[in-house]
Amino acid sequence: QVQLVESGGGVVQPGGSLRLSCAASGFTFNNYGMHWVRQAPGKGLEWVAFIRYDGSYIHYADSVKGRFTISRDNSKNTLYLQMNSLRAEDTAVYYCAKGAGYSFDSWGQGTLVTVSS
Amino acid sequence: QSALTQPASVSGSPGQSITISCTGTSSDVGGYNYVSWYQQHPGKAPKLMIYDVSKRPSGVSNRFSGSKSGNTASLTISGLQAEDEADYYCSSYTSSSTWVFGGGTKLTVL
Repeated sequence: QVQLVESGGGVVQPGGSLRLSCAASGFTFNNYGMHWVRQAPGKGLEWVAFIRYDGSYIHYADSVKGRFTISRDNSKNTLYLQMNSLRAEDTAVYYCAKGAGYSFDSWGQGTLVTVSS
Repeated sequence: QSALTQPASVSGSPGQSITISCTGTSSDVGGYNYVSWYQQHPGKAPKLMIYDVSKRPSGVSNRFSGSKSGNTASLTISGLQAEDEADYYCSSYTSSSTWVFGGGTKLTVL
């Protein structure tokens, strides 16, 4: 069955950087687009970024454009999110999600990122 | 991109039906048949319940159904059960080649 396992979360100071990883298994990773979606504590879901199955097409939410970079290594079945210039408002649980057409059909358990001094 | 508009909360008794609305614009909900719905229990990851407006993934109960009219999509849950109590989020693809979620609706089963 599909399994997505995020890692790399933690506490970081404002202006700092963090790289999240999402290890995928149970499906042919290089056939599917992948997303990052985040959820601030007690708040709703916010789409963050998408990367096409081959990495050739990438889109970001305006709130992270220029600061976050999504990438993937199909040889390692792993999705990444490089987060730079972090702000307090980036504090959230970050989920990776498998794309299925225009929906998100499988989700990881999430990794918590806390931006605080 | 502004979030889609959902009611903050809805409630219903076991066995009843409820509907959650999701209102966007012609640049998202109204422009594409790419609305999806997610169920999230406290402390858990979201789960896909409906995709492409009205399609149900394998394994999702047929008590869940979706529809769309103009810029508003709807999720209907019939025969409410206690385990349906959760937060529900709609999502839509947009004309900016991005995705947008609704603010979420808390469903309480009385």
